[in-house]
Amino acid sequence: LAKTTQPISMDSYEGQEVNITCSHNNIATNDYITWYQQFPSQGPRFIIQGYKTKVTNEVASLFIPADRKSSTLSLPRVSLSDTAVYYCLVASSNSGYALNFGKGTSLLVTP
Amino acid sequence: GAVVSQHPSRVICKSGTSVKIECRSLDFQATTMFWYRQFPKQSLMLMATSNEGSKATYEQGVEKDKFLINHASLTLSTLTVTSAHPEDSSFYICSAETGGQQETQYFGPGTRLLVL
Repeated sequence: LAKTTQPISMDSYEGQEVNITCSHNNIATNDYITWYQQFPSQGPRFIIQGYKTKVTNEVASLFIPADRKSSTLSLPRVSLSDTAVYYCLVASSNSGYALNFGKGTSLLVTP
Repeated sequence: GAVVSQHPSRVICKSGTSVKIECRSLDFQATTMFWYRQFPKQSLMLMATSNEGSKATYEQGVEKDKFLINHASLTLSTLTVTSAHPEDSSFYICSAETGGQQETQYFGPGTRLLVL
């Protein structure tokens, strides 16, 4: 399973854009990159998934450079309710799609 | 998005009893489901991979006779914690994998187990 590295924690003020970068140097050709959000005592919630370049949905954008060794989750104009732990994961059929959760990034949004 | 449910959401039991947790994919069929455990202030730890109609694959260090997994249909997987002990108290989370080109896992809301 590809290992990922993220900052342990980040702080932001309401209304700011937050960018969380994840390193996955040994990503495999077939691996997809997926980001999840988790609140305390809840299951992880799917945010966004991508393979290369840029993916955008109604809640976030995901930027993946050409070498795919890193990715950046961008959260536009965060609010207090975005305070959560964010996990970056890579997986593919090669690993049976099993996810290897690291420690994630604990984002604190303050007024 | 795809919806995964778990039942019960929380359970308290006496030491030595068995507890069954259900995981259902509500609006899609899932050939593969996964079971995770999460202790306080820690990340999710994969316990086992459950494939419909076959035996589950357990991660190293997870006792298959203690954590019985059944995946009898494409929408239901169950985890039974047998002879539960206080150290089994944890947050158990399942996920179900969608099909298609981009396999994506969607997670259930989790089950809080407290063994007294």
